[in-house]
Amino acid sequence: RKEVEQDPGPFNVPEGATVAFNCTYSNSASQSFFWYRQDCRKEPKLLMSVYSSGNEDGRFTAQLNRASQYISLLIRDSKLSDSATYLCVVTDNAGNNRKLIWGLGTSLAVNP
Amino acid sequence: NAGVTQTPKFRVLKTGQSMTLLCAQDMNHEYMYWYRQDPGMGLRLIHYSVGEGTTAKGEVPDGYNVSRLKKQNFLLGLESAAPSQTSVYFCASSYGRSSGANVLTFGAGSRLTVL
Repeated sequence: RKEVEQDPGPFNVPEGATVAFNCTYSNSASQSFFWYRQDCRKEPKLLMSVYSSGNEDGRFTAQLNRASQYISLLIRDSKLSDSATYLCVVTDNAGNNRKLIWGLGTSLAVNP
Repeated sequence: NAGVTQTPKFRVLKTGQSMTLLCAQDMNHEYMYWYRQDPGMGLRLIHYSVGEGTTAKGEVPDGYNVSRLKKQNFLLGLESAAPSQTSVYFCASSYGRSSGANVLTFGAGSRLTVL
């Protein structure tokens, strides 16, 4: 089993749609979780951290389920500009940032 | 405020040639990293540094060397390039403490092709 697994997609959705991505991780001791966004041929950029209680940033909502070892990202009212690859990132034991474990990403295409 | 700057952005090498990728950050970050990204493999850590004068191996260090002589610069060297090192290389930096240590700022990437 991969340490961090994501559905690669692509997810093709119309503008205005709601779309959700899941990410599962194998290390039950992982303490920190993030979603990064990577546009085509660009660098990854932090989208949001994922907190135990769940957190929201505008149209984006992140959830963490420690019991089932997965995190999710919900995007409401999708915009064309949301088209990108979304990378799930998990730290190893004790939140060691030097061993961030990156998923392969889920590709999203928002269509007009 | 430039953030993280990588040079060069593109380079084509012949097998056996050497080169150095330069990364510079102006955010006073303690930690710096070099990653490579390949299709189907995701981001893999090559080497990292937790401070000026210190470096450590990541998960795929073979064939690469690094140096961090100044806090703001992190150099990645390929002594004898191989086709397997064809990749996109990303430099990143972060604060060294607390929650900031887990938030990476990336450079725009360097595309390297080894023929």
